[in-house]
Amino acid sequence: GAGVSQSPSNKVTEKGKDVELRCDPISGHTALYWYRQSLGQGLEFLIYFQGNSAPDKSGLPSDRFSAERTGGSVSTLTIQRTQQEDSAVYLCASSLSILNEQFFGPGTRLTVL
Amino acid sequence: DQQVKQNSPSLSVQEGRISILNCDYTNSMFDYFLWYKKYPAEGPTFLISISSIKDKNEDGRFTVFLNKSAKHLSLHIVPSQPGDSAVYFCAASEKAGTALIFGKGTTLSVSS
Repeated sequence: GAGVSQSPSNKVTEKGKDVELRCDPISGHTALYWYRQSLGQGLEFLIYFQGNSAPDKSGLPSDRFSAERTGGSVSTLTIQRTQQEDSAVYLCASSLSILNEQFFGPGTRLTVL
Repeated sequence: DQQVKQNSPSLSVQEGRISILNCDYTNSMFDYFLWYKKYPAEGPTFLISISSIKDKNEDGRFTVFLNKSAKHLSLHIVPSQPGDSAVYFCAASEKAGTALIFGKGTTLSVSS
């Protein structure tokens, strides 16, 4: 079956522009997570959606970051007024609600010039 | 402050030998621990997990050991194979289905 997919795979943008990153989770997975990995760092949690509950936004680094999940499936991570320090690989993962194993997509490499 | 620490950024092992990857954590509320493997340009792939009620979990060549009193876990790979060369991330969570806290990773190189 299909795994987690993300688009685009690479995104180069200019400082100050807005970007949208998309995640398609595994069908039937109710939990969806966004992480990012900056150069030389581990994966940093950003936000997580679980079913119809309010998302856990505790990892978002600033109010320039937001995410939504429509219809309990596809999610979009939006970064407004991008800064150079936003450059990273943004990873999406999904899981069945009661299990902890998270399945990751290939990531979107964001470069802010 | 890092809650999950992988103090060795890299490890080199010969094919057929044992690889031991270590991970320390500071949050005593962590209940579930996982290891992920990551190849370049790919997302992390789940490898093996252990809950806090156990001290060992084995799956083929991979065994994870948990020492709760020391807040330490380790991943043993035996025998190591060249295809095991990748970055290994240790991760933990306070309960199932919540966000994972990751270490910075250890790059394993297995030479033939």
